[in-house]
Amino acid sequence: SQQGEEDPQALSIQEGENATMNCSYKTSINNLQWYRQNSGRGLVHLILIRSNEREKHSGRLRVTLDTSKKSSSLLITASRAADTASYFCATRGAGGTSYGKLIFGQGTILTVHP
Amino acid sequence: NAGVMQNPRHLVRRRGQEARLRCSPVKGHSHVYWYRQLPEEGLKFMVYLQKENIIDESGMPKERFSAEFPKEGPSILRIQQVVRGDSAAYFCASSSGQVGTGELFFGEGSRLTVL
Repeated sequence: SQQGEEDPQALSIQEGENATMNCSYKTSINNLQWYRQNSGRGLVHLILIRSNEREKHSGRLRVTLDTSKKSSSLLITASRAADTASYFCATRGAGGTSYGKLIFGQGTILTVHP
Repeated sequence: NAGVMQNPRHLVRRRGQEARLRCSPVKGHSHVYWYRQLPEEGLKFMVYLQKENIIDESGMPKERFSAEFPKEGPSILRIQQVVRGDSAAYFCASSSGQVGTGELFFGEGSRLTVL
């Protein structure tokens, strides 16, 4: 079964607001990653957080990881219309190599209104 | 640097025909992954290959689907005797495989429509 489950499935906000997306997973992980997909395009890597890290920042992105709850969140601050896309979390299982398969969640569709 | 290149971007096949999807990874990357995506859904892992080897094919249907990544040339995902349920977007991704680097680089996908 799919490793990651995300919520909400869809999120609609106004420009300038913050957007928070959550991801839960089932088994032990080596790392968790977030990707973005614009409609009709491929996925683009946003940020990676390792299992021994709790928080990571990259520009307007903030990712947290709680391995005890098997969950992660992605926060996009001061959202822009250009942030409109689908966002996916993906996990790489523990015990494998750092380059084993990634298992993706179902994604959150974010719409940012101008 | 050229990213992951997939072709064709769009492919139309009739039921029973064969579909061949090609993927050239980022230059220097030796790890290739194939994923399938249905509309409004996430990506489903199909197969993970290194040069000339299939590492993990746990997501690949047992029949009609095959994948290869030869020593020279692109990776190929082959679907024989296509059925309507094979209609989807197929994404290829690559990675360098170096320890500590975990991200995948994705192509723009090949969209297969089976009539």
